[in-house]
Amino acid sequence: QQKVQQSPESLIVPEGGMASLNCTFSDRNSQYFWWYRQHSGEGPKALMSIFSNGDKKEGRFTAHLNKASLYVSLHIKDSQPSDSALYFCAVIRGNNNNRIFFGDGTQLVVKP
Amino acid sequence: GGIITQTPKFLIGQEGQKLTLKCQQNFNHDTMYWYRQDSGKGLRLIYYSITENDLQKGDLSEGYDASREKKSSFSLTVTSAQKNEMAVFLCASSITGTTGQLYFGEGSKLTVL
Repeated sequence: QQKVQQSPESLIVPEGGMASLNCTFSDRNSQYFWWYRQHSGEGPKALMSIFSNGDKKEGRFTAHLNKASLYVSLHIKDSQPSDSALYFCAVIRGNNNNRIFFGDGTQLVVKP
Repeated sequence: GGIITQTPKFLIGQEGQKLTLKCQQNFNHDTMYWYRQDSGKGLRLIYYSITENDLQKGDLSEGYDASREKKSSFSLTVTSAQKNEMAVFLCASSITGTTGQLYFGEGSKLTVL
């Protein structure tokens, strides 16, 4: 069964700083990768996806994927207190196997 | 845009009691999920359903029953509530053949006395 591991478990960055969140997965046939964000008291919301090797930038957020290294990451530039949340990595094999595997999350705190 | 509505938002029950959580979605999505989230931790899949009347067990199905009588609704029953399963239960939905975008409800918090 797919194993998805996130690091670090928790991360504190100053306002305006860079936050880097890491995720490794075990199934080489995985095709679809998502980052979800969950603010306290709410359900998780999809933040961004990445399906091809390399970088994908959306505003202050950049996702990076290296399928050969079984690695995906999320970088948040110019972090804001509103970015404080629990971030989940999600991995899907695809090709009619649509079971979604989540990591245990990284708790990000951005200090003003 | 659509919405997922979970009821009740807070559920308090006695140990050993049978308790039911309900979820409705108006996205017209085929697949629906129930996850359990222990205090600020990861998501564990309890049950999912890829169509009306279909049920698939997740990693944490023991002690739970689920029901999908309509495309738009998915309910979860805790068959005998235990103190160690106080958690937030999250319902989600997605399009079948998904690339992984799930839409979650706001959660139902279960307290067992």
